[in-house]
Amino acid sequence: AQKVTQAQTEISVVEKEDVTLDCVYETRDTTYYLFWYKQPPSGELVFLIRRNSFDEQNEISGRYSWNFQKSTSSFNFTITASQVVDSAVYFCALRDDKIIFGKGTRLHILP
Amino acid sequence: EPEVTQTPSHQVTQMGQEVILRCVPISNHLYFYWYRQILGQKVEFLVSFYNNEISEKSEIFDDQFSVERPDGSNFTLKIRSTKLEDSAMYFCASSQGQGSIGELFFGEGSRLTVL
Repeated sequence: AQKVTQAQTEISVVEKEDVTLDCVYETRDTTYYLFWYKQPPSGELVFLIRRNSFDEQNEISGRYSWNFQKSTSSFNFTITASQVVDSAVYFCALRDDKIIFGKGTRLHILP
Repeated sequence: EPEVTQTPSHQVTQMGQEVILRCVPISNHLYFYWYRQILGQKVEFLVSFYNNEISEKSEIFDDQFSVERPDGSNFTLKIRSTKLEDSAMYFCASSQGQGSIGELFFGEGSRLTVL
């Protein structure tokens, strides 16, 4: 069965600090996709990244970076030099037929 | 850029009333989904739809819920007799491909408040 675990329910950091959001997944499939979504206070789901199971290269996009470790079934997300606008709930998700979301991590960036 | 659109953005209804949430998926997409997010909780899968029929549904998707694609463009979620616990944000999504192929594109959500 699919499962996505985001152990950190809530994190608070001071602006400009780096922060890493953890995600651990379970699946029996050999082919799958992993995602991160951002949900700001306005409520919409903002797509951040998709990574397929065959591509373990880490990715960097501006202040965002993702570390995919298949050996530990983890797909962690790091925000470098955090900003107040990064405050949101962040969801990690796994897809084989449908997307299954983790419970989310609420991130507070304090000015 | 093509996008999934949902209406209404917010609906308030009385308990027991019927509600229809509408979605216009991206035009060349073939797979359609509804997800639900109760305030402060995780986003939960409700149902997937392909080739004019339900392909999978969760235990949440009971007899009070139904989906249809009445005219080839809209994809609707109907709740026949709303309950207080149906209050949530409902997200529609569509995908060009099945399974691991094909990214899901989400709409901005419809917030349902049941009084």
